[in-house]
Amino acid sequence: DQQVKQNSPSLSVQEGRISILNCDYTNSMFDYFLWYKKYPAEGPTFLISISSIKDKNEDGRFTVFLNKSAKHLSLHIVPSQPGDSAVYFCAASARETSGSRLTFGEGTQLTVNP
Amino acid sequence: NAGVTQTPKFRVLKTGQSMTLLCAQDMNHEYMYWYRQDPGMGLRLIHYSVGEGTTAKGEVPDGYNVSRLKKQNFLLGLESAAPSQTSVYFCASSWGLGFSYEQYFGPGTRLTVT
Repeated sequence: DQQVKQNSPSLSVQEGRISILNCDYTNSMFDYFLWYKKYPAEGPTFLISISSIKDKNEDGRFTVFLNKSAKHLSLHIVPSQPGDSAVYFCAASARETSGSRLTFGEGTQLTVNP
Repeated sequence: NAGVTQTPKFRVLKTGQSMTLLCAQDMNHEYMYWYRQDPGMGLRLIHYSVGEGTTAKGEVPDGYNVSRLKKQNFLLGLESAAPSQTSVYFCASSWGLGFSYEQYFGPGTRLTVT
């Protein structure tokens, strides 16, 4: 039972264009969402998060959008840079029932071409 | 600050052998976690700890044991390794409930069981 799904295993975009990574979830108890970035041979690093009381959170080139009715969130990267090439993981937490535990999606490999 | 460190970085085991993976954090975090990452499956929680002397099962705990004797260390043990435990193992840590839910990850341990 995959509660957090990233349906696109890979995404390729041109440098300077927008990258949009998508994530769907099924558990209605999830109330906090995070995106992590992972380079090869390194651990994941935190990128940006959003609480369920918001529908948008922005940090520089990165914006996360949350659509609770559709149980869908997306990460927008504008403009995309070659250094953004990495695997991106979506994660979710049900703080009331599971505390700080995170459930991760499968990941999406983003490639930004120069 | 070193953040989260993991020892060893690589290991090859034969079926039936045992080993212990060590995770250390120097951020005074209360919570610590062990994940495994397999292709196409994202990160799955094995065991976690909400404080020194406490441990709890995650999503995929079978075949693993853990101990948290000191706040800064979290050990993951494999008593009798199986080929199905070939994976990349990540340790993470975070502040307690009520603080940021961001988890900080170590660089990973690549384990191969033959």
